[in-house]
Amino acid sequence: AQSVTQLGSHVSVSEGALVLLRCNYSSSVPPYLFWYVQYPNQGLQLLLKYTSAATLVKGINGFEAEFKKSETSFHLTKPSAHMSDAAEYFCAVSDLGGYNKLIFGAGTRLAVHP
Amino acid sequence: GAGVSQSPSNKVTEKGKDVELRCDPISGHTALYWYRQSLGQGLEFLIYFQGNSAPDKSGLPSDRFSAERTGGSVSTLTIQRTQQEDSAVYLCASSYRRTGGTDTQYFGPGTRLTVL
Repeated sequence: AQSVTQLGSHVSVSEGALVLLRCNYSSSVPPYLFWYVQYPNQGLQLLLKYTSAATLVKGINGFEAEFKKSETSFHLTKPSAHMSDAAEYFCAVSDLGGYNKLIFGAGTRLAVHP
Repeated sequence: GAGVSQSPSNKVTEKGKDVELRCDPISGHTALYWYRQSLGQGLEFLIYFQGNSAPDKSGLPSDRFSAERTGGSVSTLTIQRTQQEDSAVYLCASSYRRTGGTDTQYFGPGTRLTVL
């Protein structure tokens, strides 16, 4: 069975500081991994996805994530936080390239303060 | 182009009543998914439709929940005899299944269901 663990339900950073949101996965087959962002009262928006083509994945809004098989991790980073990055972030795994259901982590709420 | 749309955006109902939630996927998308987002359970998969194949119903929490997809497009999620624990945001997503690639699921804004 697949699962996702997001360490830290709440993360707070200063504007301009590094953002690091942690995601660890468990999968018996090569995983496909996704990061989604959810702004208040909105649906989920894809930030980036790992599809085995490259271990460092760049997404929208300056976010990137690195797939590390040895650590079973897919942490999300952004060099410099902006106030508009405040939202909830979800890591998800799929075993069939997204052709199947996504298994989501519990989410991390990011707060950005001046 | 138009994204995934869901209606209603909010639904308040009384315990024991039936409700229907609607999802209009992105035109041309062959796959459609329903998820539920609640405080206690996070984001949970409910059901998945792909073309004319039998749907994957493995996430439906009870037989009070059902869904159909008519004509390969619009989908309706029905909850019978609603209970307070059904209160949640119900999210719909769609994707285009392509050969040799990976799908991206595009999500709608959700329907917030409150059962009194």
